[in-house]
Amino acid sequence: GQQVMQIPQYQHVQEGEDFTTYCNSSTTLSNIQWYKQRPGGHPVFLIQLVKSGEVKKQKRLTFQFGEAKKNSSLHITATQTTDVGTYFCAGPSSGGSNYKLTFGKGTLLTVNP
Amino acid sequence: EAQVTQNPRYLITVTGKKLTVTCSQNMNHEYMSWYRQDPGLGLRQIYYSMNVEVTDKGDVPEGYKVSRKEKRNFPLILESPSPNQTSLYFCASSRTGTANTGELFFGEGSRLTVL
Repeated sequence: GQQVMQIPQYQHVQEGEDFTTYCNSSTTLSNIQWYKQRPGGHPVFLIQLVKSGEVKKQKRLTFQFGEAKKNSSLHITATQTTDVGTYFCAGPSSGGSNYKLTFGKGTLLTVNP
Repeated sequence: EAQVTQNPRYLITVTGKKLTVTCSQNMNHEYMSWYRQDPGLGLRQIYYSMNVEVTDKGDVPEGYKVSRKEKRNFPLILESPSPNQTSLYFCASSRTGTANTGELFFGEGSRLTVL
């Protein structure tokens, strides 16, 4: 079945360093979404990527969708303590259904001030 | 304020005692879904609903039931809870489903402990 792999599982950085998390799907995705979950909180939608090779930026966050639409990445430039949390990617399950959403296991980012 | 409301937020119960976790959204969303979150396993989809009276299984539906009699409500029912259902549960909704709108709105979560 559909698998969405995310690496690394954990990342600890010094404030000001960059951070990247990678998401790989076993199948081609029609779109991919990214969410952030603060400690003790609930997932919050960040962005959706739809087009092959798409790159979108949100301030210090850069999101990419691979040319083959099987991988994606989230890059944070110059991390801040407010970036702490778990970042999840999610994609529709294979088989044509766009309603069954599979999440990666997430990357937990901690930032040392 | 647009929101997804879950109740209860915290619950400790015993094996076999039926319970219902309610979920309500005020955004007139067609799509609703339940997830459970466990350490090291991420978010796993339990059930989802594309519209009223239309539901389908996610990846981990065993031991759960759902119903969608009204657009705004999507309760999660544990007929006979077991300790392996101890988890953090999230309800989520979106306008028409992941392909079109993308954005899932999550509730605050319900932490369930089954003794």
